[in-house]
Amino acid sequence: GQNIDQPTEMTATEGAIVQINCTYQTSGFNGLFWYQQHAGEAPTFLSYNVLDGLEEKGRFSSFLSRSKGYSYLLLKELQMKDSASYLCAPMDSNYQLIWGAGTKLIIKP
Amino acid sequence: IAGITQAPTSQILAAGRRMTLRCTQDMRHNAMYWYRQDLGLGLRLIHYSNTAGTTGKGEVPDGYSVSRANTDDFPLTLASAVPSQTSVYFCASSDSERHSYNEQFFGPGTRLTVL
Repeated sequence: GQNIDQPTEMTATEGAIVQINCTYQTSGFNGLFWYQQHAGEAPTFLSYNVLDGLEEKGRFSSFLSRSKGYSYLLLKELQMKDSASYLCAPMDSNYQLIWGAGTKLIIKP
Repeated sequence: IAGITQAPTSQILAAGRRMTLRCTQDMRHNAMYWYRQDLGLGLRLIHYSNTAGTTGKGEVPDGYSVSRANTDDFPLTLASAVPSQTSVYFCASSDSERHSYNEQFFGPGTRLTVL
């Protein structure tokens, strides 16, 4: 079957760094997406990885290891507005996104 | 219109009633999707359409139907609503012809309560 595992909730301090891990098992693989979702809002795109390694985009970076079925999202210089849920979503062989339940990130001053 | 719109924003519905959730996009994306999101669960795909005139079943299609008469519109119909269909419904679209990068853009969602 297809399965996504990510922590349910994490807490971090403003200005710090946090890493949100995701492990996945899918039928085939065509890349992995990270989305951000603020409470009561729609998910918005953060990153996409299809090859192994680190993709950096400003304060956010995403890493992928296809052999390990593992990805992480790294958020630096945390700001209060980063309080949100972060959704890991690998794409399977049918190009459908398989969504994790998301990690709720709480930022404290 | 810019992006994807959904209507209504929220709705309270009596069980057994018929309801259509509307979704319209102006990005000329070929693919569209309907998801439901429930607390503690990931987004679950209900139905999708890879191009106008075609539809497919997702992970949780029972009790729902869709149509795709044109590129822009993708309505979701609940023929006879039940309380377990209480959820937040998101419509999304993507330019899936570029299979290597299938970023999905989401509408603002419809919060549906079935009593």
